[in-house]
Amino acid sequence: KAGVTQTPRYLIKTRGQQVTLSCSPISGHRSVSWYQQTPGQGLQFLFEYFSETQRNKGNFPGRFSGRQFSNSRSEMNVSTLELGDSALYLCASSLLTERNTEAFFGQGTRLTVV
Amino acid sequence: KNEVEQSPQNLTAQEGEFITINCSYSVGISALHWLQQHPGGGIVSLFMLSSGKKKHGRLIATINIQEKHSSLHITASHPRDSAVYICAVRSSAGTASKLTFGTGTRLQVTL
Repeated sequence: KAGVTQTPRYLIKTRGQQVTLSCSPISGHRSVSWYQQTPGQGLQFLFEYFSETQRNKGNFPGRFSGRQFSNSRSEMNVSTLELGDSALYLCASSLLTERNTEAFFGQGTRLTVV
Repeated sequence: KNEVEQSPQNLTAQEGEFITINCSYSVGISALHWLQQHPGGGIVSLFMLSSGKKKHGRLIATINIQEKHSSLHITASHPRDSAVYICAVRSSAGTASKLTFGTGTRLQVTL
């Protein structure tokens, strides 16, 4: 069974540009969550999608957005990039049934904004 | 105060030592996760707990719901256990499904 796949693995962008990151969950998983990891703030929740609907959103500015497609693949977009957006972006997929909330993480996309 | 507190922040051990990492949380939870992160960034889920104790190889995780506390134990530690260990909780409030993370414990196991 394939794991969670994130693309690309590494990305370098310039301030002011926008970026789109992709996450393909484990087959059958309908929940995809996105997290940002920085040395200063640690891991922080960005948002969660379930069956194409955003169910939960963290405390990030509107420049951060996402969506989920009917095949459960998810994308997140960051517009007008700032230097502080440099981080490891991780996604996790879950079945999220009442009895099973285990999260499986991808390898992450390391974004560097210059 | 963070919702999830881990201790210690850094830990150095010699190969073979018994290691304990602690996690305390302040919110009601539906599950607690122990995660492992190696250099390079990928995160591996070690355990998901909602009660009691789980064991996988040399790793043992326990949780005390009443005391809002969990521990991760590594028996007979090995240099390949060197990594950052992160505790994360899934809130039981409403439809909340996000994970809230501790700051991590950086473990270095030496020969």
